[in-house]
Amino acid sequence: AQSVSQHNHHVILSEAASLELGCNYSYGGTVNLFWYVQYPGQHLQLLLKYFSGDPLVKGIKGFEAEFIKSKFSFNLRKPSVQWSDTAEYFCAVNEGFNKFYFGSGTKLNVKP
Amino acid sequence: DAGVIQSPRHEVTEMGQEVTLRCKPISGHNSLFWYRQTMMRGLELLIYFNNNVPIDDSGMPEDRFSAKMPNASFSTLKIQPSEPRDSAVYFCASSLGVSADTQYFGPGTRLTVL
Repeated sequence: AQSVSQHNHHVILSEAASLELGCNYSYGGTVNLFWYVQYPGQHLQLLLKYFSGDPLVKGIKGFEAEFIKSKFSFNLRKPSVQWSDTAEYFCAVNEGFNKFYFGSGTKLNVKP
Repeated sequence: DAGVIQSPRHEVTEMGQEVTLRCKPISGHNSLFWYRQTMMRGLELLIYFNNNVPIDDSGMPEDRFSAKMPNASFSTLKIQPSEPRDSAVYFCASSLGVSADTQYFGPGTRLTVL
C-alpha cells in the first residue's frame, strides 16, 4: 500500500519567513499529488494539485509545490508566509483508483 | 453550489448508543468518501463509493461501522454501538469522475462519545 510521509509535524515561523514542507510517498508508478489545507475549525480545502506536465505547480494564496519524481517528493513552498497561513497542511497521493492516501499533516503556526 | 453538506455538525452521545452521520455530496459528483480524523491517527479513509456502490471498505475499523449510499445525493455512516474511542471528526468528501480527481470536503461532524 502507498504511504505518505510528512516529516515536519509542527513548524513555527515568523511572518515573512519562507516555508517549505516536505512530502514523500512510496509508490513508484504514476501518481496524482495534492496539498490540502485545513484552517482552524474548518474543513480541508485544496491548495494545489499535480496530475502531469510542468512539475512546478502553482496553487492558491501564493503556494507552490514541486514534483521530483526521482525523489518521490512533492514539497510545498511559499516565499513569504503570513499569519493567516496558520493551519494544518496535508499532502495526499492518489494512484488512479480514487483511493487517496493522506500524510499525517503538518501544523504551521505563523507568529505575527 | 452549496458544496458537500454534512449533518449534524456536532454530536454528543453516550457509549452504546447508535450514531448516524449524514452526507450530501456535490451534485453531479459520482464518488463519495468517508474519512475519520483523530489526533492520534490523523486522517484515515474509512470507505468510498463510486456510483453509489461501495468500492473499498478496508478502512472501516470494525463491524460496528457501516455505510450506505442509497442514491447519488445521500450517504450515511452509522456506528452501532458507539464507543468512546470512536470520538473523532468525521469528514465526507466527493469527487467527479471514475479515476483520480480533486476531492471536495464537507465541514465534518465532530462526534463525542461519553
